[in-house]
Amino acid sequence: DVKVTQSSRYLVKRTGEKVFLECVQDMDHENMFWYRQDPGLGLRLIYFSYDVKMKEKGDIPEGYSVSREKKERFSLILESASTNQTSMYLCASSSLAQRGVKDTQYFGPGTRLTVL
Amino acid sequence: KQEVTQIPAALSVPEGENLVLNCSFTDSAIYNLQWFRQDPGKGLTSLLLIQSSQREQTSGRLNASLDKSSGRSTLYIAASQPGDSATYLCAVPEGNAGNMLTFGGGTRLMVKP
Repeated sequence: DVKVTQSSRYLVKRTGEKVFLECVQDMDHENMFWYRQDPGLGLRLIYFSYDVKMKEKGDIPEGYSVSREKKERFSLILESASTNQTSMYLCASSSLAQRGVKDTQYFGPGTRLTVL
Repeated sequence: KQEVTQIPAALSVPEGENLVLNCSFTDSAIYNLQWFRQDPGKGLTSLLLIQSSQREQTSGRLNASLDKSSGRSTLYIAASQPGDSATYLCAVPEGNAGNMLTFGGGTRLMVKP
């Protein structure tokens, strides 16, 4: 059974703290993604990675960084958390997309982060 | 840049009704479209994926159709049940690589007993 896990379901941090969100997938997928989801704004891509040590900026990378040292693990880092980073964070993974070949993203359960 | 719109944003129906959720996209050069379900406070679960060569896909009481030329997809739910209450999102691949998805804003469905 396909599985994407995230390190925490709920997290409360203070402004200025460094925050690590971890995501692990057990499907040997090449691609991994970090999204944030906010009411009225939908799902927005922060970063994605298509291979170990490779990363690409998504739509809203400012204030975030990522790390992918191993294929199964993709970390999202908030260098100095701010209140506007309070959100639901979703991790996903997928196999390498090929045109016309069935591919979908598998999502983790999400981490609800509150920054005070 | 691809834009994906879902109408309505919210829908409330009595149990047993058949219903249709709509998704539209601006760039018809897609090679698949996906429908996801999200329960409150949870991640997304893939429901159906339609390849560009297909016109529809069915899974149980769910049927998704795709009309690339008009930039539209619909998700039909037959004989709705309270357990169908969730947010439904459609998504299309972004760009040629197709690794990234662009999501619609979702339709929040409530099925009342």
